[in-house]
Amino acid sequence: NAGVTQTPKFRILKIGQSMTLQCTQDMNHNYMYWYRQDPGMGLKLIYYSVGAGITDKGEVPNGYNVSRSTTEDFPLRLELAAPSQTSVYFCASSYSLAGATDTQYFGPGTRLTVL
Amino acid sequence: QKEVEQDPGPLSVPEGAIVSLNCTYSNSAFQYFMWYRQYSRKGPELLMYTYSSGNKEDGRFTAQVDKSSKYISLFIRDSQPSDSATYLCAIFFAGKSTFGDGTTLTVKP
Repeated sequence: NAGVTQTPKFRILKIGQSMTLQCTQDMNHNYMYWYRQDPGMGLKLIYYSVGAGITDKGEVPNGYNVSRSTTEDFPLRLELAAPSQTSVYFCASSYSLAGATDTQYFGPGTRLTVL
Repeated sequence: QKEVEQDPGPLSVPEGAIVSLNCTYSNSAFQYFMWYRQYSRKGPELLMYTYSSGNKEDGRFTAQVDKSSKYISLFIRDSQPSDSATYLCAIFFAGKSTFGDGTTLTVKP
């Protein structure tokens, strides 16, 4: 199993550009999440999905969009990139929302800089 | 008030030391408490979780929850250079995890 994979690893965007961060998991997990982590800070939830076709906002959804057309893929779309979106983005997945007893598996992250 | 607050660090200790990492939380309804370890330029990985109060031990690691004071701790015994990482506490509530800001630990050989 590859687990959770994310592409690209690094990206530099200009203000106003758009891009899609890709996330794929091969563990047949129902739940997928997108977090951002600013330097020296914890993770903040952007969006999450409880299954194909179902998504919901997290703590910091403004400026982002998601879709979940398959169990495996959960792309994150940035429209009109702003410097405040400079961060490291982590995708995660879990089999269920069964509390902390069900581990979230994290991808390696995408480092995004907006100039 | 933040839902979970973590002692900021950074922390630097000699190899073999006992390390104590600490967080406080705001809501007495929280029941699930987790500790994640994050190596530099990697994603977090779940280290331990506890439900409700008490201690949980796994090798050199002990997670402790004190619900009366809303305090959670992670103890590392006989710390090793390979323990050098950022440690994030987290609570799980209403279907979502909320993370502390992390404490960066360096264990010097």
